[in-house]
Amino acid sequence: AQSVTQPDIHITVSEGASLELRCNYSYGATPYLFWYVQSPGQGLQLLLKYFSGDTLVQGIKGFEAEFKRSQSSFNLRKPSVHWSDAAEYFCAVGSPNDYKLSFGAGTTVTVRA
Amino acid sequence: GAVVSQHPSRVICKSGTSVKIECRSLDFQATTMFWYRQFPKQSLMLMATSNEGSKATYEQGVEKDKFLINHASLTLSTLTVTSAHPEDSSFYICSATSGLSSYNEQFFGPGTRLTVL
Repeated sequence: AQSVTQPDIHITVSEGASLELRCNYSYGATPYLFWYVQSPGQGLQLLLKYFSGDTLVQGIKGFEAEFKRSQSSFNLRKPSVHWSDAAEYFCAVGSPNDYKLSFGAGTTVTVRA
Repeated sequence: GAVVSQHPSRVICKSGTSVKIECRSLDFQATTMFWYRQFPKQSLMLMATSNEGSKATYEQGVEKDKFLINHASLTLSTLTVTSAHPEDSSFYICSATSGLSSYNEQFFGPGTRLTVL
């Protein structure tokens, strides 16, 4: 069975500082990996995804993530956060043979001025 | 990306009543829709998967007689919480996709906050 762990429940970062959100997954084969952002009153929005190929994935809003098979990780990064990046972030894992996604518990990001 | 709407965004009901939540894909045909439940500070838990014109597939531990799902068209799925009780209070989220693999992006609705008094 596939599962996802997001070790950080809450992260506070200063505007303009860099951000890294951790994600570790458990899956027997090569997973499909996703990062979503959830803002209040809005649905989850896909930031980026990894299926295969280049392990450094670029997404929307200046985010990137790196797939590290040896560490079973897919950490999300942004070099310089904006106040609008304050939101809930979810990592998810899926597989080529199934449409189900397994989500982590989420990380809440607070941005201080 | 594609747009998925949910209605209502919030609902408060009395214990024992039934509540219907609608999920619509506004600009694409969704062959598959998913219903999730999210508890505060927790992950999204998949409740069921519905395909247009067929019965929904429920995840283990989800009561199909309590959470009735209908996917009558390629743009509409409904979740009815029957005989709701306070423990059913939660945030319900739907998503829609046009494929049968997680390779196909799921588009999420904004969610419905259900409070059962």
